Amino acid sequence: DSGVTQTPKHLITATGQRVTLRCSPRSGDLSVYWYQQSLDQGLQFLIQYYNGEERAKGNILERFSAQQFPDLHSELNLSSLELGDSALYFCASSVGQTIQETQYFGPGTRLLVL
Amino acid sequence: AQSVTQPDIHITVSEGASLELRCNYSYGATPYLFWYVQSPGQGLQLLLKYFSGDTLVQGIKGFEAEFKRSQSSFNLRKPSVHWSDAAEYFCAVGTDAGGTSYGKLTFGQGTILTVHP
Repeated sequence: DSGVTQTPKHLITATGQRVTLRCSPRSGDLSVYWYQQSLDQGLQFLIQYYNGEERAKGNILERFSAQQFPDLHSELNLSSLELGDSALYFCASSVGQTIQETQYFGPGTRLLVL
Repeated sequence: AQSVTQPDIHITVSEGASLELRCNYSYGATPYLFWYVQSPGQGLQLLLKYFSGDTLVQGIKGFEAEFKRSQSSFNLRKPSVHWSDAAEYFCAVGTDAGGTSYGKLTFGQGTILTVHP
């Protein structure tokens, strides 16, 4: 158990819908990262927040947005969902914001878009 | 742009045999290199990381990796594999995001390890 929690574990929805994935970092961690793992794209970095501020952005679609709240939990919002958005979404956390920090991964949220 | 290649999609070894998982990276500057393991239904767990210094890095669960700059490689090794090592292994390179030192990881496609008794 990494100490990172993600809810829900599974999510099934329809195309065109909007969903929100939630992540609670390990106690004391200030950075939160979001990753998408799909069969065709592999594991891809989406976005990083540190203490509420966006720090780095990867291949995140405009239909996707994220934020980190004052209590440090983070939410990833996915809108206008498409079949290709079906994937496993991981959240990770670390103490600091630099690449040298060890990132601890949660168990993921499996999203299925029908 | 940075990239990571894991040439072997699937490797099968017998329990007790040695293991080497290959990883090649492409990155202009000195890379930060990581190996993660993902067990079925689990998130990723860090096995080891390399930033600088000694090119042979020791990790958890008896794994080690060697950084070879001339070959742009960071291969993972274990002298004797246990059945519990069956999982998917990911090599990753950490890169500065736009000149900063923030925490973007670029992952390889992963290598699935099967262990036969």
